Amino acid sequence: QQQVKQSPQSLIVQKGGISIINCAYENTAFDYFPWYQQFPGKGPALLIAIRPDVSEKKEGRFTISFNKSAKQFSLHIMDSQPGDSATYFCAAIPNFGNEKLTFGTGTRLTIIP
Amino acid sequence: DADVTQTPRNRITKTGKRIMLECSQTKGHDRMYWYRQDPGLGLRLIYYSFDVKDINKGEISDGYSVSRQAQAKFSLSLESAIPNQTALYFCATSDPNTGSYGYTFGSGTRLTVV
Repeated sequence: QQQVKQSPQSLIVQKGGISIINCAYENTAFDYFPWYQQFPGKGPALLIAIRPDVSEKKEGRFTISFNKSAKQFSLHIMDSQPGDSATYFCAAIPNFGNEKLTFGTGTRLTIIP
Repeated sequence: DADVTQTPRNRITKTGKRIMLECSQTKGHDRMYWYRQDPGLGLRLIYYSFDVKDINKGEISDGYSVSRQAQAKFSLSLESAIPNQTALYFCATSDPNTGSYGYTFGSGTRLTVV
């Protein structure tokens, strides 16, 4: 059962444009929502993360928007660059006990000149 | 040196063979994980270990086994490899005490079963 649904599966954006990747979750116990970035031949690396007590978090060109009532969160990449071309995973984890991250299915982002 | 090192990076093996993928870490983290990545399916958890004496099955443990030899070492074995185990395998570590739940991944092992 996929507890974190991610869309789209692939995305092509022109250089300078805005890339938007969406995730939705079911488990209301989720308390921490990270995004991971994966380049070819590498493992995923933590990019940015948010807790549900805020609606937005921005780090440079990367912004997470969080809608607790809708149980949705999204990653926005402003002024997208070819170097942003990678696979992006959203994830979620509850804040109790010995829990593990649940990952979305990934979005392959390609930035074209 | 990488914080999480996986060996081998690439492996081709025949159906029915036993194969071991190794993972070592210098992060000093107690928690270690094995994930499998397939296109369109994301990262699926195979096994995880929260300390040396703790081993737990993940969502897709059938056909796999693990060994936690030390805090720094966590190995994944395919007892009798089959073609649908062809995938990219990742080891990861985490430290919940950081408050960030950030996972550190290795660079992966690309396994092909023919």
